[in-house]
Amino acid sequence: GQQLNQSPQSMFIQEGEDVSMNCTSSSIFNTWLWYKQDPGEGPVLLIALYKAGELTSNGRLTAQFGITRKDSFLNISASIPSDVGIYFCAGGGGGSNYKLTFGKGTLLTVNP
Amino acid sequence: DAGITQSPRYKITETGRQVTLMCHQTWSHSYMFWYRQDLGHGLRLIYYSAAADITDKGEVPDGYVVSRSKTENFPLTLESATRSQTSVYFCASSELGDRGNGYTFGSGTRLTVV
Repeated sequence: GQQLNQSPQSMFIQEGEDVSMNCTSSSIFNTWLWYKQDPGEGPVLLIALYKAGELTSNGRLTAQFGITRKDSFLNISASIPSDVGIYFCAGGGGGSNYKLTFGKGTLLTVNP
Repeated sequence: DAGITQSPRYKITETGRQVTLMCHQTWSHSYMFWYRQDLGHGLRLIYYSAAADITDKGEVPDGYVVSRSKTENFPLTLESATRSQTSVYFCASSELGDRGNGYTFGSGTRLTVV
């Protein structure tokens, strides 16, 4: 089946630093989504990308849909303690019969 | 209140018991999904449903049963709970499946099998 390779698996950073994480796939996707999961909660959608090359921002977050449609990255600028959580990428429209394909997540820890 | 709700939030059960996790959404979304989340494995799909009375197996269906008699409800039953089913379970719903804005997740049920 389709797989997404998400990296890094975990990051430990200082408050104020910028963060970058990415997802790659051997398959093409028509939609890339980035979710954040706060401790003890379900994942929540941060950014949705629908077009190859698209660059979208949501506050301090910026995500891009790779031009090959096989990758995406998420950047967080000037991190703050509430950025702590697990970030998941997900690919859609890749022929998996309406199921999203999820990466395994990046655990972000921010040291105040 | 509009949204997707899971119940219970926490459950402890004994090995061999049957337990049902509930999921209810108020949007009339066609698609619903059950995932389990374990350290090192990310989110793994257990079962999914495209509409009422249509369900299909995901990646890890063994030991689980689902039903979807009504669009808004998608209960997950562990027929005879085992310790390996100790996990956090998430239900999700979607209007457009893997298109549009993807899924909306519930807050999860933390299940411990002793």
